[in-house]
Amino acid sequence: AQSVSQHNHHVILSEAASLELGCNYSYGGTVNLFWYVQYPGQHLQLLLKYFSGDPLVKGIKGFEAEFIKSKFSFNLRKPSVQWSDTAEYFCAVNTGRRALTFGSGTRLQVQP
Amino acid sequence: ETGVTQSPTHLIKTRGQQVTLRCSSQSGHNTVSWYQQALGQGPQFIFQYYREEENGRGNFPPRFSGLQFPNYSSELNVNALELDDSALYLCASSSSGGASYNEQFFGPGTRLTVL
Repeated sequence: AQSVSQHNHHVILSEAASLELGCNYSYGGTVNLFWYVQYPGQHLQLLLKYFSGDPLVKGIKGFEAEFIKSKFSFNLRKPSVQWSDTAEYFCAVNTGRRALTFGSGTRLQVQP
Repeated sequence: ETGVTQSPTHLIKTRGQQVTLRCSSQSGHNTVSWYQQALGQGPQFIFQYYREEENGRGNFPPRFSGLQFPNYSSELNVNALELDDSALYLCASSSSGGASYNEQFFGPGTRLTVL
């Protein structure tokens, strides 16, 4: 069965700092990859997704992620974070078996 | 376009009771998935419904059951509640065709507390 690992459980950054959140998955076949964000008190929202093609995908709010197949990774990046980026971030994998498999999440706290 | 809605928002039950949670899918979506999100964890897949049939199931016992109705809304039923069932229950809807099949849109969740 596939699994997703997010190694950073809690990240604290100052505004304007650069962000990179790690995501690794275990599955040898074709995958669809997602990053979801959960702002305080709000529901899960899709940040970006990778299905095929260019491994560098751009999402909303200035976020991007790079799919590196050889490393089974899909790390999330943002060049300059804002206080409003404070949220929980979840990486998820879908191997075509209908279910999303989520990582345990990374709580990002941006200090003004 | 109406998003995914869930009811109730919060619910408190006691051990051994039964609970029903409801979900209305986003307009144009015919597939509904349910997830359980325990505190501090990522969502875990319970099951999925497509065209009123269970279309995949995660590692949850049979006391977790569901329904999908002709209008694509869905219910999650949990019997014989246990303390560990306390969690946020998320519903997600998607459309079944092509690449969009795998993109799921989430509702706000129902917070279930079992005492």
